[in-house]
Amino acid sequence: DAGVIQSPRHEVTEMGQEVTLRCKPISGHNSLFWYRQTMMRGLELLIYFNNNVPIDDSGMPEDRFSAKMPNASFSTLKIQPSEPRDSAVYFCASSLEGLAGAGSETQYFGPGTRLLVL
Amino acid sequence: SQQGEEDPQALSIQEGENATMNCSYKTSINNLQWYRQNSGRGLVHLILIRSNEREKHSGRLRVTLDTSKKSSSLLITASRAADTASYFCATHGFKTIFGAGTRLFVKA
Repeated sequence: DAGVIQSPRHEVTEMGQEVTLRCKPISGHNSLFWYRQTMMRGLELLIYFNNNVPIDDSGMPEDRFSAKMPNASFSTLKIQPSEPRDSAVYFCASSLEGLAGAGSETQYFGPGTRLLVL
Repeated sequence: SQQGEEDPQALSIQEGENATMNCSYKTSINNLQWYRQNSGRGLVHLILIRSNEREKHSGRLRVTLDTSKKSSSLLITASRAADTASYFCATHGFKTIFGAGTRLFVKA
């Protein structure tokens, strides 16, 4: 398996622009997680999908952030409009979760998207 | 302090020595997982220990979990220069929470 695939790997944009990050989870996994990593705040869980349905989006910073999972093999995280404080590395992870719920099984991380908003 | 706090924040040792990292948390958990992150790369899962387990081994890794003290430790034995990385614990309960990480530097 190719593992979790994220694109783009690097994104540089100007404040106010829309940014779309993409993720392809590992085939057969039923859960997908979006994380953000910064020096100041560390790794933060933004949103978690199970069977394509958003289960917990309490980590999404504000209305400028939105995430979708139209099917089991694709998810997007969109920031509109982007701001300099959104600069971070955004990770997508997937897992095969059982009934115990989010994080009960091993999460496999993608390589991340390094976002810089000028 | 936030859930999943690692201690120490940074650790520098000689190749061949053992490295011990600790993690404390606050709420009840289903399991605790340790991850490694090399500079500029994604996280790699190392080991998962469930709340009803006390110790797990994987190669040179040994993880313990004390739910009464809400703490876990990761021991890397006979460290190698290639073990240089940041190590994170992540607690999984109602929410998934990562700690701030321990930066390990193994000198050759």
